[in-house]
Order: sequence, then structure tokens, then C-alpha cells
Amino acid sequence: DADVTQTPRNRITKTGKRIMLECSQTKGHDRMYWYRQDPGLGLRLIYYSFDVKDINKGEISDGYSVSRQAQAKFSLSLESAIPNQTALYFCATSDPPGRVQFFGPGTRLTVL
Amino acid sequence: DQQVKQNSPSLSVQEGRISILNCDYTNSMFDYFLWYKKYPAEGPTFLISISSIKDKNEDGRFTVFLNKSAKHLSLHIVPSQPGDSAVYFCVDGGTSYGKLTFGQGTILTVHP
Repeated sequence: DADVTQTPRNRITKTGKRIMLECSQTKGHDRMYWYRQDPGLGLRLIYYSFDVKDINKGEISDGYSVSRQAQAKFSLSLESAIPNQTALYFCATSDPPGRVQFFGPGTRLTVL
Repeated sequence: DQQVKQNSPSLSVQEGRISILNCDYTNSMFDYFLWYKKYPAEGPTFLISISSIKDKNEDGRFTVFLNKSAKHLSLHIVPSQPGDSAVYFCVDGGTSYGKLTFGQGTILTVHP
């Protein structure tokens, strides 16, 4: 079984809809991250969490929110989806200091 | 701001030959770099890293070179194999909280 799982793997939604992407991990790591990747660009950090009570904004947090429900679960929400949020979204986990991160398979999100 | 640039979007090599992927950076805080590899429909996976105390790190067929004065690093794959065909990201290892800065990626294709 995969150590870091993401659901759904693909999602098509409409502008203005609220959508949640979920991430679960069995690696026992405290640190979890959400990234997005756009065509021709590298991954950019949206939010990161050191533990259940510690959540921090990353480079591009506007339009997104997160919830750390448990050590193993970290969800990303788009409150009101817009077309330029169409991207590939990755969840990752790590031990400190966080340079080697373990990524999920990604969620391809399309906002029409 | 930290920046990582991979100026070659793609590279094509013959099986058995050397692959050289290049990366330039600016404003790195710790001069600690990683290479991640990504196959289609999968998340990135850690490949090899190098810290500022070294100018070379080797792991099997993969060697990373760091030139701090030129703010340049490169990944050498010798010999290249078709299974090495993937997207390679140069990553600045960033600060202690694991904020990774990704380059745009280079698509490597190794032809049999």
C-alpha cells in the first residue's frame, strides 16, 4: 500500500464550487505539505503543518485553506474555485528538517 | 527570494551515454540542494542531495556536482538507462522548516 495517498485522483468542478482534496499518510511523519504544480513550472508550496496544532501559509496560500484532522490526515480546500486554480496538487510528508519529502501521487484538478 | 532555474526544458540521450542536467540558483540560504525525479502520474521522489561542505556527491550511477562560486549544480547519470526517462527537478533545500524551492524541471528521455 502507498505511504501517502490522495483522493480524489482527478476532479472536474465548476467556478464557484467548494472543493476538498484529501491526503492521508502511514509514514508516521509529523510534517505535512500541500503543493501545486502548473505546466512548465516547478512545485510551489501552498500550506504546511508541523503537527495537528501548527499550520502555516506557504508561498501561494490565497484562495486556499487547510485542515489537519489528525497526524495522518491533511486536507486542502478551495473555498470558491476559479479557473486559474486548475493544476496538479501534491501532498507530501517528512520528518524534520523536511528536505527529503515523500509525495503522494497527485490530484489533477480542473476548474471550468 | 530564492530562485532555482533549469534552463533546459528537455534533454534526449542514447542509452549507455551520459546525461547531464544543469541548474542555476540565486540567494540560497544554506547551499543545500536536492534532485527529485518524477514519473508520469506519480509524485516526485527524492534522488540525491548535496550540501555546501561538499562539491560532489555520488550514489551509484548518479553524481551531483556543486559549484558555489558559480551558483551552479549539475546531475550526471552514467550510464543512462531507458528507465531514467522522467522529469528531474533541481530543488533548493531551503530553511529548517523544509520549504523547498523547485526548479521548472527538465524532461529526460533516454532512447534504447
